[in-house]
Amino acid sequence: TQLLEQSPQFLSIQEGENLTVYCNSSSVFSSLQWYRQEPGEGPVLLVTVVTGGEVKKLKRLTFQFGDARKDSSLHITAAQPGDTGLYLCAGLSGSARQLTFGSGTQLTVLP
Amino acid sequence: NAGVTQTPKFRVLKTGQSMTLLCAQDMNHEYMYWYRQDPGMGLRLIHYSVGEGTTAKGEVPDGYNVSRLKKQNFLLGLESAAPSQTSVYFCASSRRRENTEAFFGQGTRLTVV
Repeated sequence: TQLLEQSPQFLSIQEGENLTVYCNSSSVFSSLQWYRQEPGEGPVLLVTVVTGGEVKKLKRLTFQFGDARKDSSLHITAAQPGDTGLYLCAGLSGSARQLTFGSGTQLTVLP
Repeated sequence: NAGVTQTPKFRVLKTGQSMTLLCAQDMNHEYMYWYRQDPGMGLRLIHYSVGEGTTAKGEVPDGYNVSRLKKQNFLLGLESAAPSQTSVYFCASSRRRENTEAFFGQGTRLTVV
């Protein structure tokens, strides 16, 4: 079983602060995805990173894929209350493209 | 825009009872998945299907069975429910393409007492 470890598990910050969430594995993935989940809803894709070292930006969110394609990070600049949610990383592997999810980071941004 | 629809949304079962969760997608996706989500454990893959008539085991398949008789439907069955199967279940689907997005249903909250 390929494991993805996310840290921190919980994060509570004030509006305007910056934060970074980490996703680490000992396995290599063909790509890595980040999802955000709101209460009572299913996860929704934010981004997919494919190439080792790749950096993608989505407004105030910056995603990076590690050079060895084993880890990734999500950095949020000037967090807003609307960023509150559960952030999940997911590694894609295998011919059936199974998505293996990390345990998630519950982010709360206080106004 | 229905996307992925799961039924029911909530269910309470007694230990030993059986039930079937239905997942339907209208996006003509080849791949479908069943996950369970427990606090602090993210989503864990139960079973998946790469096409009509095919199924395969995921990370935590014990106590569950699945069927994909039609491309648009993926059924998850619990033959004899146990309290350890109390969880939120999510169905997802995706296209048969590299690095494609998985679309999720809204989940089914199952409690086994």
